[in-house]
Amino acid sequence: AQSVSQHNHHVILSEAASLELGCNYSYGGTVNLFWYVQYPGQHLQLLLKYFSGDPLVKGIKGFEAEFIKSKFSFNLRKPSVQWSDTAEYFCAVNAQGNTGKLIFGQGTTLQVKP
Amino acid sequence: DGGITQSPKYLFRKEGQNVTLSCEQNLNHDAMYWYRQDPGQGLRLIYYSQIVNDFQKGDIAEGYSVSREKKESFPLTVTSAQKNPTAFYLCASSPTRGGGIDTQYFGPGTRLTVL
Repeated sequence: AQSVSQHNHHVILSEAASLELGCNYSYGGTVNLFWYVQYPGQHLQLLLKYFSGDPLVKGIKGFEAEFIKSKFSFNLRKPSVQWSDTAEYFCAVNAQGNTGKLIFGQGTTLQVKP
Repeated sequence: DGGITQSPKYLFRKEGQNVTLSCEQNLNHDAMYWYRQDPGQGLRLIYYSQIVNDFQKGDIAEGYSVSREKKESFPLTVTSAQKNPTAFYLCASSPTRGGGIDTQYFGPGTRLTVL
């Protein structure tokens, strides 16, 4: 069965620190990849997505992610976090052809200290 | 104002009662989804529907039922058969993309508590 693993469950950083959140998936075929963010009290919203093309994807608010097919990974990065980045982050994967089945990781809670 | 609405925001029910959660979208999306969010477990797919009058079970469909009589509406019923119904329920919708999946857009969620 397909699965998505996010290695860090709870991350605490100071403002201006760099961020990298890990995401690995288990599926050997072609995939679509997503990072969603849930700010406190707000809807789950899309940060960025990868369907094809350049494996380095840029999203909103200065976030980016790199798809490394050989490592089955899609790690999220931001060079300098802000207090407003405090949120829960979810990686999600869809196996192409598996219509409607979006598999989410467990989520990573990021706390940024001012 | 386009988007996905879920009602109510908070819902309390007694054990043994069925309860229906509402989800409406005015984005003209074909596909709609129901997820359950529990702490430390991410989101798990309950049911999804790609077209009116058709829906499929997700990974944790037991104890739940859905209907899709209209494109904009996808209500979820949590039945008394669901062993652990207390959770945060999220509805999502997406356009179809060449028969595949596209970005899912989420509603604000309903927090269900069983007393």
